[in-house]
Amino acid sequence: DAKTTQPPSMDCAEGRAANLPCNHSTISGNEYVYWYRQIHSQGPQYIIHGLKNNETNEMASLIITEDRKSSTLILPHATLRDTAVYYCIGQTGANNLFFGTGTRLTVIP
Amino acid sequence: EAGVAQSPRYKIIEKRQSVAFWCNPISGHATLYWYQQILGQGPKLLIQFQNNGVVDDSQLPKDRFSAERLKGVDSTLKIQPAKLEDSAVYLCASSLEASGTEAFFGQGTRLTVV
Repeated sequence: DAKTTQPPSMDCAEGRAANLPCNHSTISGNEYVYWYRQIHSQGPQYIIHGLKNNETNEMASLIITEDRKSSTLILPHATLRDTAVYYCIGQTGANNLFFGTGTRLTVIP
Repeated sequence: EAGVAQSPRYKIIEKRQSVAFWCNPISGHATLYWYQQILGQGPKLLIQFQNNGVVDDSQLPKDRFSAERLKGVDSTLKIQPAKLEDSAVYLCASSLEASGTEAFFGQGTRLTVV
């Protein structure tokens, strides 16, 4: 599985877009990029995943660069409930979801 | 749809005692994971099952930890004997397939070893 690098923390004003970056320069061609988040005292929650194309769902958008060495998770209108630790993960085949230390996002009123 | 169920939610034991955690995954999910999350860190995979077979247990401390998944459904994780450093949240997750699908996590079991 690709090792991922994320900033340890970020702040975002409520109502603004939160853009969370992730570097995964060693990602292989068949490796998915997954994003999860963990709100305090809860289990991780799936947000979105992609392989090559950009993806969007009701929670977020995922932008993957053409060379697939980095990606950005976008929360279009951050709310206080989006305060959490966000994990970027690379996964292949039957390999496990390897969680790093993630980015602690704080949404400020 | 019912989520991943774990029990107990909390457990306090003395060091050298044994403890067991139970997980009931989402119906139909072939893949089941057990993670250990120490305070301030990301979850660390302990073991991954595909149906009732082990896919990856490379990070499971096999001298004291064991896990099984009978009939490819429920799973138990056991620690015997427990050490102080085993204090953590133990998370169970399941997914339909091993790759390309999302994993759903339970609430976890918070273990305190004193």
